[in-house]
Amino acid sequence: SQQGEEDPQALSIQEGENATMNCSYKTSINNLQWYRQNSGRGLVHLILIRSNEREKHSGRLRVTLDTSKKSSSLLITASRAADTASYFCATDNSGYSTLTFGKGTMLLVSP
Amino acid sequence: EAGVVQSPRYKIIEKKQPVAFWCNPISGHNTLYWYLQNLGQGPELLIRYENEEAVDDSQLPKDRFSAERLKGVDSTLKIQPAELGDSAVYLCASSLGRGRSNEQFFGPGTRLTVL
Repeated sequence: SQQGEEDPQALSIQEGENATMNCSYKTSINNLQWYRQNSGRGLVHLILIRSNEREKHSGRLRVTLDTSKKSSSLLITASRAADTASYFCATDNSGYSTLTFGKGTMLLVSP
Repeated sequence: EAGVVQSPRYKIIEKKQPVAFWCNPISGHNTLYWYLQNLGQGPELLIRYENEEAVDDSQLPKDRFSAERLKGVDSTLKIQPAELGDSAVYLCASSLGRGRSNEQFFGPGTRLTVL
């Protein structure tokens, strides 16, 4: 079963624009992670945010977490064609490293 | 540092045949995971190992799927017999282990096609 639901399912933008993806989940979590998947590099971990954190940054990535709404967002600023990929949120409910992934958002960044 | 290694990368078999996938995790990673990923979906956990112990196999269809992690390093996932619905990508991942970094490192996957 899949806990997270990403929104939108697909997103198409131009290079230089910002991309925002949302994730909603159903049960309480220990942490939430975002992963990227493309055909060239497979699934790659992007960022982890713990349940007691509200915002986290890593380079051009900004993640927010609202545990009261059971939702998270991933913002990619100044997007590049190389950001074209599928993005998944994954929740860790117990802190024991078992992740439950959503269905993902397909991002297309056009030059 | 070498990443998670999986083989084969692609496998095509007839239904009812057996198939096996192999995974070599990152050195020093105690936790190993097998996931199944269907087209257009996120990965779904099949089994998680802490060293050589399978600590979460609740989603593994035990009538036809089996896995082992001998000596707590390499792991093998087997399907016998394979069914048409088993066509998917099988991903292996590893992490440092419980109580340490939760970040998981994924291999390239094995794409299985059952005809």
